[in-house]
Parts: sequence; structure tokens; C-alpha cells
Amino acid sequence: GENVEQHPSTLSVQEGDSAVIKCTYSDSASNYFPWYKQELGKRPQLIIDIRSNVGEKKDQRIAVTLNKTAKHFSLHITETQPEDSAVYFCAGLQGAQKLVFGQGTRLTINP
Amino acid sequence: EAQVTQNPRYLITVTGKKLTVTCSQNMNHEYMSWYRQDPGLGLRQIYYSMNVEVTDKGDVPEGYKVSRKEKRNFPLILESPSPNQTSLYFCASSFRDSQKLFFGSGTQLSVL
Repeated sequence: GENVEQHPSTLSVQEGDSAVIKCTYSDSASNYFPWYKQELGKRPQLIIDIRSNVGEKKDQRIAVTLNKTAKHFSLHITETQPEDSAVYFCAGLQGAQKLVFGQGTRLTINP
Repeated sequence: EAQVTQNPRYLITVTGKKLTVTCSQNMNHEYMSWYRQDPGLGLRQIYYSMNVEVTDKGDVPEGYKVSRKEKRNFPLILESPSPNQTSLYFCASSFRDSQKLFFGSGTQLSVL
């Protein structure tokens, strides 16, 4: 089955700087890679996703890149703001429906 | 409003006392799933259901049961809770063949 490893487990950046979170996956058949954001005390919510037929996707200050050969994908947040502080989860798709999540990254934006 | 509703939000119980966490969605989703969230372990799938009367084990099913008698409801049952089931639980749903999960607000369970 799919195994997803996420790094780092914690990340602290200055407001305005960029943050990068990386994930690796094991199942070469996996073709969908979402990122979820979980604010303190809240539910995880989908913020961006990418399918394996593209290498990069952007949505305002966030972007995801995918390297299928190396089996890794990354979340990039530019011009970080205090509201970006949260736990971020990556995931890979196992089969048609099951998402396998990484361990999570706690991102702190320092003012 | 489209949503996944879980109850209760917080629950403290004692070892061995049966409990049920309810989950209901109003989006007509076929797929529903339960996850537990533990520090450093991410979200791990407990059970999932592809449709009414169709359920299957996830990665950590031991000590849990589920049922899917109606499309909108997917309760999680702990017949004899133990302290290692203390965790934050999330229900999630999506359309079949869509991998975009909608999560409930979570249930923080403490088993003493």
C-alpha cells in the first residue's frame, strides 16, 4: 500500500518569508496528491491538490510541485502571514478512493 | 449549508463503557470514512464505506465497529473502549471517484 512521509514535523518562519514542506510517497501508481490545512482546534480543510499529469499548480500564495520520477511533492507558501500558522498534511492516493496522510507539519509564522 | 456533523465534540469515558460517535453528512456523498489523529502519526484511517451497507477496514480498525444503514449516517462504535483509544477522531465524506474529503469538526475522546 501507499506510505507517505512528511518533513519537517515543525517549521518556524518569519512573517513575509517563504515556507516549504516536503512529502515522499511509495506507490508509483498514486496519481493524486492533496494538501490539507488544520488550524488550531479546527477540522482539516483542502487547500490545494495536484494530479500526476501536471508538475506544478498555483493558487495565489500557495503552490504545489510534483516530481513523479523521484516520488516526492512539496507545498510552497510565499509571503507568509500569521493566518498561515497551522498544521499541514500531505496525502497520497491508494487505489481509487483512499487517502494516506503524512505525519503533519506544524507551521508557525513569527511576526 | 453543506456539512459533515459529528457528535459529541468532547467525550470522557471509562474503560469498557460502550460508546458511539455519530457522523452525518447532507451532501449525498457515497464515500464516508473515519480517521483518528494522534501527535506525530498524522491521520490514520479506521474504517471506510463506499456506499450503504458497504464497509471495510482501514489501517487501524482494531477495537472499532461501524455501520452504514443510511447514506447520510456513519456511526463509529467502540464496544469496549481502552485508554489507547484516547484520540481526536474525524469523520469525512466525499463523492465516489472524487478524492476531495470534507471533514467533520472532530471528537476529542478520552478513555480513563
